[in-house]
Formats: sequence, C-alpha cells, structure tokens
Amino acid sequence: GEDVEQSLFLSVREGDSSVINCTYTDSSSTYLYWYKQEPGAGLQLLTYIFSNMDMKQDQRLTVLLNKKDKHLSLRIADTQTGDSAIYFCARRTGGATNKLIFGTGTLLAVQP
Amino acid sequence: NAGVTQTPKFRVLKTGQSMTLLCAQDMNHEYMYWYRQDPGMGLRLIHYSVGEGTTAKGEVPDGYNVSRLKKQNFLLGLESAAPSQTSVYFCASSSSGSGDYGYTFGSGTRLTVV
Repeated sequence: GEDVEQSLFLSVREGDSSVINCTYTDSSSTYLYWYKQEPGAGLQLLTYIFSNMDMKQDQRLTVLLNKKDKHLSLRIADTQTGDSAIYFCARRTGGATNKLIFGTGTLLAVQP
Repeated sequence: NAGVTQTPKFRVLKTGQSMTLLCAQDMNHEYMYWYRQDPGMGLRLIHYSVGEGTTAKGEVPDGYNVSRLKKQNFLLGLESAAPSQTSVYFCASSSSGSGDYGYTFGSGTRLTVV
C-alpha cells in the first residue's frame, strides 16, 4: 500500500549486516511487523514491535522504531545466504478488524 | 499442525471462466483474509472476515466474492476471470484475542488467466 514504503532491493555480502528500511504515514499504528517471504512460499512472521517501544532484539534481528519520523528498520546481523528473501514491513490499522497494511517488499540478495 | 492450507496451488484459467480458491485454517482463528500479490505492489487486501458468516471488502474487491460459512474456511470466488486477475493469492488468519495479532499465511495460489 502507498502508506507503507520500502526500497525494492538490497544487496549485501555474506557476513555483513543488512538494514532494511520502512516508512509509514499513519502515526496511530499500534503494531508494526516484519515478514519474510522465501521463493514460492507464503509470508512468515519474523518479528514485531509495539508502538511504545524503540527497539527490539531477537537473536540476529534488531528492530528500530522512530515514531517521530514514522520510520521502522530491520537489521540482520551476520547475514547468511539463507537470509535471501523478500522482506515486508506491515502496520496494524486501528479498530477491531486487525487489518495489516503491507509495504511493497524489499528483495534482499546475499552474495557469497 | 497444518496452520493455513490453500488449494489449489496452481491454476490456469481462460478469460471468462470461474473458479473458487479454498482456504482452511485449524487454529480456531476468528479473522481471515485474502490478499493478492503483484510485482512491485506488495500485498493488497481483497476481502476479509471477522467471524463465521461475516465478510467485508478490502482494498481491491472488484471481480471477487467471498464466503465464510464455517469458521475454519474462507472461500474466494472469481465469477468471470480476467487477465488482470493473474496474480498470486494468499490467505491469512489471525486471532482476535490478545497477543501480537500477527497473521499466519498459507503458501499461496498462483493463478494465471489467459
């Protein structure tokens, strides 16, 4: 959707850190998510962050949230070839329907 | 522990034909969703349901109908397929209770309309 934007492509070398960025327009978003899609597969929930948090770390994954700038990032430490996939940022809309608005996805290519 | 199952996985239709995509979940989730994924456009919500017997329109509902007769199943119908409906279709479900509200996705249906 237009209100969640991501760059389309990122290329990194194996062992480097990857940083995938996302911006959104609706400041009322309560939850923000990162999903991973491997070729030919559905989306898999990687991690999420609640809007009252600035950072969340989960093993090699670090999520940073800047609410003022409406900017979300996903850092993958020690990127491996198995991390090659499309990464989607998503925000939860308000109300009781639990709708998620997805970004266009960022294709992460990890070079050996 | 199947999660969300979509059938079929692949289908080729001729323009004007009809078909139904089936989504089944075994997690007792209240909410279910149909998205389509197109290159450079991310995922766009077609229709969704907040419970058995209820459906609602999403962002791109034209040309599609849905039904949720049973809590575990969410059907997406194309009455008269058009080439613009060539896409990958994903079903997802989520809990209505507390928690991260994240979705569980099916593996997708790749549809080609010729």
